[in-house]
Parts: sequence; C-alpha cells; structure tokens
Amino acid sequence: DAKTTQPTSMDCAEGRAANLPCNHSTISGNEYVYWYRQIHSQGPQYIIHGLKNNETNEMASLIITEDRKSSTLILPHATLRDTAVYYCIVRETNAGKSTFGDGTTLTVKP
Amino acid sequence: DVKVTQSSRYLVKRTGEKVFLECVQDMDHENMFWYRQDPGLGLRLIYFSYDVKMKEKGDIPEGYSVSREKKERFSLILESASTNQTSMYLCASTPQGQGGNTIYFGEGSWLTVV
Repeated sequence: DAKTTQPTSMDCAEGRAANLPCNHSTISGNEYVYWYRQIHSQGPQYIIHGLKNNETNEMASLIITEDRKSSTLILPHATLRDTAVYYCIVRETNAGKSTFGDGTTLTVKP
Repeated sequence: DVKVTQSSRYLVKRTGEKVFLECVQDMDHENMFWYRQDPGLGLRLIYFSYDVKMKEKGDIPEGYSVSREKKERFSLILESASTNQTSMYLCASTPQGQGGNTIYFGEGSWLTVV
C-alpha cells in the first residue's frame, strides 16, 4: 500500500468547514483513498472513500486531485463532536494489508 | 450493520502470562486484522488473515501469534506477555471483492501487563 502524509494537527472553529489534506504521491491506479476517524478510546470509524471522482456522503466530502497524488477531506460544518484523529489511507480493493499512518488530530473549538 | 466484537474491553495480566484476545465478526468477511495503538504511534499492523487458517505478518509481529480456525473468529495470542505489550489492541475486518471495501473496527481491547 502507498504511504500517506498528513499534518500532525489542525484547529477549526465550530460551524466552519474543516479541510484536512492528505498526500499520497505514490498511489497506484487500483488503490482507493479512504478516510477514517477515531474518537478517543474508540475504534476507528469509516467516513468516506473514493478512487478518482469526488465523493460526498452525509458525513463529509472527499476531493481527489486529478493526478490522484493528494486529497482533501471536508467536514462542511464542524461541530465539537468532530474533534478526533483523522486517518487517510490508500489501499487496493482486495489488499489484505492496510497500513495506517499517524493521522491528523483535528480540534474543533467553540 | 457489520459488527466486529472484541471479547474483552479491559484486561490486566502479569508478565509471562499467555494472553488471548478474541475477535468475532458477523458479516462473513474474508479479511481480518489485528492492530495495536500506542500514543504518538498511530495504528500499527500486527497480523492479518485473508482466509481461514491463512495468516500474514504485518509490521510488528514479534511477540505475537494469531489463529484463524473459523472464518468469523481471529485470535491474537501473546505467548508470554511483557510490559512493552501494554497497549490498546484493535481488531478489524473487511470483505474481499470488487470496488472499495470498508474496514470495520471493533471497539478495542485495553491490555495492561504488570
């Protein structure tokens, strides 16, 4: 699996959009981009994933650059409950091994 | 909803004890994983399994073994627990198949070795 690079931490004001970047410059053609988040003391929770096109669901939007070397997770209206560690990973469809990096600690402030 | 259940949420074991961490998933997933998570180190993959009786080493397999006798169950074994294995352990599963496949995580098992 390709490696990912994320900023260690970010702050966001409550009610504003949180934009979390991820670099995955060595991504290969059959690897998807996934985002998970982990709230303290819980297991990671799936947010969204995509291959080439931008994706949106009830939780977030995922913007993938045309060359697929980076992506951005967007939480449109961050709340205090969105404070968590956010992980960006890339993996193949049937890949057994899935490697997580250190993630970005997002702190939403009142 | 997919459910990944880890049998023990909190455990305290003594150095040298044999420890079993059990994980069960109810969605017939082929792939199962064990990670450990330590402050500042993110999630590190210990072992994974892509089928019954099949296993592969992850990034940090030393001091651990695994067992997958049935598709739904994946056990992590610490043959002789040591204090540096104090950590939170996360089990996960995902199906095989075409298209992106989400990884589903359990709630974690906090192990303290004294």
